[in-house]
Amino acid sequence: QSALTQPPSASGSPGQSVTISCTGTSSDVGGYNYVSWYQQHPGKAPKLMIYEVSKRPSGVPDRFSGSKSGNTASLTVSGLQAEDEADYYCSSYAGSNNFRIFGGGTKLTVL
Amino acid sequence: EVQVLESGGGLVQPGGSLRLSCAASGFTFNSNAMSWVRQAPGKGLEWVSIISGSGGSTYYADSVKGRFTISRDNSKNTLYLQLNSLRAEDTSVYYCAKERSYALDVWGPGTTVTVSS
Repeated sequence: QSALTQPPSASGSPGQSVTISCTGTSSDVGGYNYVSWYQQHPGKAPKLMIYEVSKRPSGVPDRFSGSKSGNTASLTVSGLQAEDEADYYCSSYAGSNNFRIFGGGTKLTVL
Repeated sequence: EVQVLESGGGLVQPGGSLRLSCAASGFTFNSNAMSWVRQAPGKGLEWVSIISGSGGSTYYADSVKGRFTISRDNSKNTLYLQLNSLRAEDTSVYYCAKERSYALDVWGPGTTVTVSS
């Protein structure tokens, strides 16, 4: 199973919004509402930011939002802040044979 | 506080074995599925394996199937990953994570496995 497709990089200025895409297939992203997003700062463990496509865990700012259309999911970060600079990974349930698949990651730079 | 903490990483020769442990606290361990995820140096995340709360169901990534075994001891609130027939490409930081609705909501700091002669 190939990894989900994410752009390698994204950027925006403080206060702006940026959207990161995550493209899969009908066997993963398109087939289930179980897309999640993770933020990872250098040398740190990943942190769950979005689950079930658009739900935010407690403590995650509402500047982070998720959506899905067909086989592509998206993470939008509004009101960019310096601390949002990190790597972001999407993930999807992929059925009982493959269970879970990750995207290759997107490095978000706050200019 | 809900937390998980991995241990057991180290340097091992190709073809060797290692057992990773993950101690969980702050939540009802036997009610939650648990996963292992790894990250090779400078690379992205790769899901490795998952085990149900009871331990009765397990799944593996194709890259480790037949070589790695996930297990748990609910009496000790501990998750394990037995790594056999290790290869250089298994060199990674291995993370233990708690499952929540097909997502990973609690992660440990990771333990490093290096496969090299």
